[in-house]
Amino acid sequence: GAVVSQHPSWVICKSGTSVKIECRSLDFQATTMFWYRQFPKQSLMLMATSNEGSKATYEQGVEKDKFLINHASLTLSTLTVTSAHPEDSSFYICSARDRSVGAAGYTFGSGTRLTVV
Amino acid sequence: DAKTTQPTSMDCAEGRAANLPCNHSTISGNEYVYWYRQIHSQGPQYIIHGLKNNETNEMASLIITEDRKSSTLILPHATLRDTAVYYCIVRVPSKGGADGLTFGKGTHLIIQP
Repeated sequence: GAVVSQHPSWVICKSGTSVKIECRSLDFQATTMFWYRQFPKQSLMLMATSNEGSKATYEQGVEKDKFLINHASLTLSTLTVTSAHPEDSSFYICSARDRSVGAAGYTFGSGTRLTVV
Repeated sequence: DAKTTQPTSMDCAEGRAANLPCNHSTISGNEYVYWYRQIHSQGPQYIIHGLKNNETNEMASLIITEDRKSSTLILPHATLRDTAVYYCIVRVPSKGGADGLTFGKGTHLIIQP
């Protein structure tokens, strides 16, 4: 089945630094990938849609200059949290859909736990 | 996407069938019912989806009422590893896969030993 690999699984960084999270589709091509954020005891919230070869589309309230998304190839999207602050500490999850499987569901990465200290 | 309503939490004994309900009374004719689950500190996992007919796969069964206003996800023999938050999502599958999912609060299913 479709596999999405996300790296790193956890990261601790100092306030003010930037962190890059990678999301790869291992056995299918994904022209579109999605980035979600999940705070403790809350549900997943869609942050942005990553489009291969073009600019990402951000959900309302998500700062595009803070959460930089690059989708340079059909199998890789990256999310960079710039100038991270403690309030950016969260669980970040990427997702993609293998269009070859029709109406079936989306595949998610295993998530990245970001802690900003 | 149509709105869904799920119980906040449920308990089920290990080895028994877990039946998770979902109400989606405003579902439209071309919207599918999808189920995902999220085990603690992991990404969500696709379980099953359906439009009108009942569906079964190696993980679960999906029972959709005739009027399609509600559905039930059935885990036939629950194990401790099935403890997770289960999300019911109703949506039209986008042709290009260009739309992200909207997650509600889901049901926290706890399997008791």
